[in-house]
Amino acid sequence: EPEVTQTPSHQVTQMGQEVILRCVPISNHLYFYWYRQILGQKVEFLVSFYNNEISEKSEIFDDQFSVERPDGSNFTLKIRSTKLEDSAMYFCASQGKGGGGEAKNIQYFGAGTRLSVL
Amino acid sequence: GIQVEQSPPDLILQEGANSTLRCNFSDSVNNLQWFHQNPWGQLINLFYIPSGTKQNGRLSATTVATERYSLLYISSSQTTDSGVYFCAVNTNAGKSTFGDGTTLTVKP
Repeated sequence: EPEVTQTPSHQVTQMGQEVILRCVPISNHLYFYWYRQILGQKVEFLVSFYNNEISEKSEIFDDQFSVERPDGSNFTLKIRSTKLEDSAMYFCASQGKGGGGEAKNIQYFGAGTRLSVL
Repeated sequence: GIQVEQSPPDLILQEGANSTLRCNFSDSVNNLQWFHQNPWGQLINLFYIPSGTKQNGRLSATTVATERYSLLYISSSQTTDSGVYFCAVNTNAGKSTFGDGTTLTVKP
């Protein structure tokens, strides 16, 4: 099965520091997503990205967050000044248009990056 | 937005028992996925199942789209089946909406 790759698997940072979480979506996919899961809670949508711009964002995705597709392959989530409450698992997902043997509307999730803010 | 409810929230079984996990959703969906979250927090995709029935070994899933629910069956459960099972639905809006999960504990 195609794979979405996320790095690092675990990131430890000090409160107030900037972090960048990286994702390599499946090549030729067009839709990209970030989700967050605070420990013990459900997975929550953060932001979706299509055609080089944000298509939707949740209330969680405030001015501290930004996303970028800097080079046509990577998809990054930046948190400018981390807070304790940003500690969570962050999942990247990508989705294709379907066709060519791939079903539509399937989101492929990466293994996640665990962010620990101290 | 769409609501996704999973039941039961917690389930404790003896090894070898069978179980059924349920996912109800409040609107039409383009796709539905079942995930198992392993102890390291990774989401392991089990099924993409917007409708119909699929089987993979001891696991099977059925989605009745017209009645807006999906069921995940685990037969002859093993201790390695323990963990949290999530249902996630995908609508025309694109994003996935997750349920709260069912925490399964299989005792030896």
